[in-house]
Amino acid sequence: DAGVIQSPRHEVTEMGQEVTLRCKPISGHDYLFWYRQTMMRGLELLIYFNNNVPIDDSGMPEDRFSAKMPNASFSTLKIQPSEPRDSAVYFCASSPGIPQYFGPGTRLLVL
Amino acid sequence: AQSVAQPEDQVNVAEGNPLTVKCTYSVSGNPYLFWYVQYPNRGLQFLLKYITGDNLVKGSYGFEAEFNKSQTSFHLKKPSALVSDSALYVCAVRDKVGGTASKLTFGTGTRLQVTL
Repeated sequence: DAGVIQSPRHEVTEMGQEVTLRCKPISGHDYLFWYRQTMMRGLELLIYFNNNVPIDDSGMPEDRFSAKMPNASFSTLKIQPSEPRDSAVYFCASSPGIPQYFGPGTRLLVL
Repeated sequence: AQSVAQPEDQVNVAEGNPLTVKCTYSVSGNPYLFWYVQYPNRGLQFLLKYITGDNLVKGSYGFEAEFNKSQTSFHLKKPSALVSDSALYVCAVRDKVGGTASKLTFGTGTRLQVTL
């Protein structure tokens, strides 16, 4: 298995632009998680899905952030409009229950 | 609410020496406990987990962890450190009691530096 796949690996954009991060979970995993990692705050859970349904989005910082999971093999995290404080590494993880398996992350820089 | 504490930002050890990375937790019920490792520019890699049973759990790359319920700790250990073990180590906990199934709480991580 290829593991969790994320794209792009790096993204540099300007403030105000829309950013879309993509994730392909490991086949057969029922759970999908989106995390954000910064030096200041560590790893923060943004949202997670179970069987494609959002279960807990309490970590989504504000309405500029949205996430979808249209099918079992694909999820997106969108930031619109982006701001410099959104600069971070965004990880996707999938899980059959326990444990969670992480993708390589998308390093986002908003100028 | 569940929480995890990793009291050391960094641990330094010489190659060949034993290493310990500390983790304490707080949950309302019995915990599921995990250790992950993160190398530079990579995602977190699962090392080991404690669910139930033997308090000493063995994981990948020669690492092990000891669950201590009375001290609410789950310290990561390795008998002989390698330079290649240098990375960020992150402890995580999940409350076994009800609630949303797989939501983990992560510690802030401990950077392990192994030198020759």
